[in-house]
Amino acid sequence: QVTLKESGPVLVKPTETLTLTCTVSGFSLSNARMGVSWIRQPPGKALEWLAHIFSNDEKSYSTSLKSRLTISKDTSKSQVVLTMTNMDPVDTATYYCARIQGDYSGNPNDYWGQGTLVTVSS
Amino acid sequence: SYVLTQPPSVSVAPGKTARITCGGNNIGSKSVHWYQQKPGQAPVLVIYYDSDRPSGIPERFSGSNSGNTATLTISRVEAGDEADYYCQVWDSSSDQGVFGGGTKLTVL
Repeated sequence: QVTLKESGPVLVKPTETLTLTCTVSGFSLSNARMGVSWIRQPPGKALEWLAHIFSNDEKSYSTSLKSRLTISKDTSKSQVVLTMTNMDPVDTATYYCARIQGDYSGNPNDYWGQGTLVTVSS
Repeated sequence: SYVLTQPPSVSVAPGKTARITCGGNNIGSKSVHWYQQKPGQAPVLVIYYDSDRPSGIPERFSGSNSGNTATLTISRVEAGDEADYYCQVWDSSSDQGVFGGGTKLTVL
């Protein structure tokens, strides 16, 4: 079955760089019709779309966070990596990765990871 | 950038119909997806492409989209439907995904 699992630090300090890994199973990142999104949710607040990457390496980023985000994939490891630079306490959130079925950016996220809570504090 | 507006809360009695709206400029020209999120859990896709239901989602969940408003309709509401609901679109003009602010559905 399709699963996604986020991993990374629980706590980061302000100004540090966050690196999150999404490890997928049940589908291949080399499949021409698959993609993975990163989405975050501050405690008690709404979902916020961050970025996505497709198997052809096409990428898109949130315009408000574009300068701080980098998304990449390692097909051999079935992993998608998101880095966010210059972390701030307002970036404290649960970070989710989710599958996009199909190669169109407007497709829905049909499977989600459980999420990982990242706290930014000195 | 594109903005999606949802009411913060909707309340409905069990067995009645709940309607959750998602407003956006000419949203009828976009494809809307809806997610259900229960406390402490990841979101679950309940409606995609305006009105399609993933397998396993009850027929009580339906969607529509026209003009400046998309609507998620939940018929014969049950206590287990109590959750936060989010709409989502892809904004091709800014090349990014957009979520609404979410609506908390309370079953009275």
